[in-house]
Amino acid sequence: DAGVTQSPTHLIKTRGQQVTLRCSPKSGHDTVSWYQQALGQGPQFIFQYYEEEERQRGNFPDRFSGHQFPNYSSELNVNALLLGDSALYLCASSSPGTASGEQYFGPGTRLTVT
Amino acid sequence: AQSVAQPEDQVNVAEGNPLTVKCTYSVSGNPYLFWYVQYPNRGLQFLLKYITGDNLVKGSYGFEAEFNKSQTSFHLKKPSALVSDSALYFCAVISRTDSWGKLQFGAGTQVVVTP
Repeated sequence: DAGVTQSPTHLIKTRGQQVTLRCSPKSGHDTVSWYQQALGQGPQFIFQYYEEEERQRGNFPDRFSGHQFPNYSSELNVNALLLGDSALYLCASSSPGTASGEQYFGPGTRLTVT
Repeated sequence: AQSVAQPEDQVNVAEGNPLTVKCTYSVSGNPYLFWYVQYPNRGLQFLLKYITGDNLVKGSYGFEAEFNKSQTSFHLKKPSALVSDSALYFCAVISRTDSWGKLQFGAGTQVVVTP
């Protein structure tokens, strides 16, 4: 049973560019959340997708956008990259209707913006 | 504003000794409480959670946590630490008014267990 997978593992981009990160949820899960973890900090919630719609959003600018596909996989897009966007981006999946349920995290994508 | 505090950046403990990682929260109502662990170059792994009921929650790998409502704390404990427990530990909460489960994390505590 595959857990949460993310691609790519590492990514280096230049300031001003755009990036797309991908996530496949754990089997049986249909809710995907994205978190940003800056160096030395705890993860910060970006947004959450369920039934292909953004259900909840954290305090991130519109440069951060996402999408969920019918197979429940998800993409995180970041436009006009800033140096401050350098971080580990984590995807987490969970079962529906379980706000109290544990979220399963992928290994993350390390984004470096130069 | 809601917040989660982990007052110690790092906890050092000798192998075999008890391990405690502290967490306090400032969230309205009685939130759901979680502990996650992160090993180098890995994602977060779920350890345990408190939803309701017994204040002492048992989780994976011999860890347990004690919920204290009056002190708004949820400290993680392990009776006998192992070198392999060395990792970054995060406390997190979800507000009970949140239907979708947005995790709010503390800054993390680095645990170093020495042989």
